[in-house]
Amino acid sequence: DPKIIQKPKYLVAVTGSEKILICEQYLGHNAMYWYRQSAKKPLEFMFSYSYQKLMDNQTASSRFQPQSSKKNHLDLQITALKPDDSATYFCASSQETGGSQNTLYFGAGTRLSVL
Amino acid sequence: GDSVTQTEGQVALSEEDFLTIHCNYSASGYPALFWYVQYPGEGPQFLFRASRDKEKGSSRGFEATYNKEATSFHLQKASVQESDSAVYYCALSNRGSALGRLHFGAGTQLIVIP
Repeated sequence: DPKIIQKPKYLVAVTGSEKILICEQYLGHNAMYWYRQSAKKPLEFMFSYSYQKLMDNQTASSRFQPQSSKKNHLDLQITALKPDDSATYFCASSQETGGSQNTLYFGAGTRLSVL
Repeated sequence: GDSVTQTEGQVALSEEDFLTIHCNYSASGYPALFWYVQYPGEGPQFLFRASRDKEKGSSRGFEATYNKEATSFHLQKASVQESDSAVYYCALSNRGSALGRLHFGAGTQLIVIP
């Protein structure tokens, strides 16, 4: 059974609309993250949360807002969608140990297409 | 800034061939180095990591040795199988970076021909 569940797997949206990407992890980890994978670009770090608190934000746009309603949830709200937002968004988690050696475990991703 | 370079964009091999995927990094200090594998329709899966010079990481027959002098962490496997076909990512994590921030290489697609 997958330990990190992302919903939906595929998402089609129109320009200007708003969508929420869902992520739940059942690994008992205390840190969660969002990454983005665009066509022909490396995986790109977006956000990190630890114990439901935002730790780091590497996303320039305020249109991307993570939301953590429970310890094992980290959703991603995207507003005013643009075609450039089309990408696969991966949720990940780790047991945060305060060093640089945290091993991240990724979900299967949500593939977003903005028309 | 920290970065990872994977030389090969794509590697095509026959079953039982020897695999090398090259990974070089640029980072200050002593980063932790990782290999991830991604199958179609899935997220990246952790293969293994190494945290200090000359440390060897290994999993599922794949291995890589941390070489600080050469700033490399090349992935190798002695005998590939068709089921190894996937995209392989080298990544690094450094102290002082954002929590959970991995710098990924561009990825190397491995195609194993039966």
